[in-house]
Amino acid sequence: DAKTTQPTSMDCAEGRAANLPCNHSTISGNEYVYWYRQIHSQGPQYIIHGLKNNETNEMASLIITEDRKSSTLILPHATLRDTAVYYCIVRVWGGSQGNLIFGKGTKLSVKP
Amino acid sequence: EAGVAQSPRYKIIEKRQSVAFWCNPISGHATLYWYQQILGQGPKLLIQFQNNGVVDDSQLPKDRFSAERLKGVDSTLKIQPAKLEDSAVYLCASSLGAGLRGYTFGSGTRLTVV
Repeated sequence: DAKTTQPTSMDCAEGRAANLPCNHSTISGNEYVYWYRQIHSQGPQYIIHGLKNNETNEMASLIITEDRKSSTLILPHATLRDTAVYYCIVRVWGGSQGNLIFGKGTKLSVKP
Repeated sequence: EAGVAQSPRYKIIEKRQSVAFWCNPISGHATLYWYQQILGQGPKLLIQFQNNGVVDDSQLPKDRFSAERLKGVDSTLKIQPAKLEDSAVYLCASSLGAGLRGYTFGSGTRLTVV
């Protein structure tokens, strides 16, 4: 079973920041937070991952709370192409036990 | 770099028939995964290969599903016989090692069993 809780759906205005929350209250010390997204009719796409520090790349920023029980994925300037299902996943670093276990994710709709 | 290639893109079969899906991972990726995604749900791992050896097949319904990865490159997933509940998108992914910096997924094969 997925170890994360996400809202079922969210809306965001084009050009505004999209903030997608994720709760992972049972996360262990050796588990990382990963974010993937899935655009309609495509396979999931890796976005970003982190352990305890905030992370940023060309796609998004990841903010992890100090107690690591929740995180937020930030798309700074959402476009229509960012409409997708976003999955928050926790996984162990290394070994077969670190397989990605997907929940139902958050369906983000970016509106003009 | 070229992505993960899957074929066919779509397949419609009758129940009790057999079907096979093919996956060509990114060159150099030792680890290959097959996922099943039922409509409205997140992908579920079926099997993981490391080179040509199986690492995890605990979620694979072995009475009807089989998979192989000969020579540690391409992989084939087979269903025989198919059931209505096997209707889903079958996704193949590959990664360097354990994929700690992300998996790369193909676009999947959409299977409809009628």
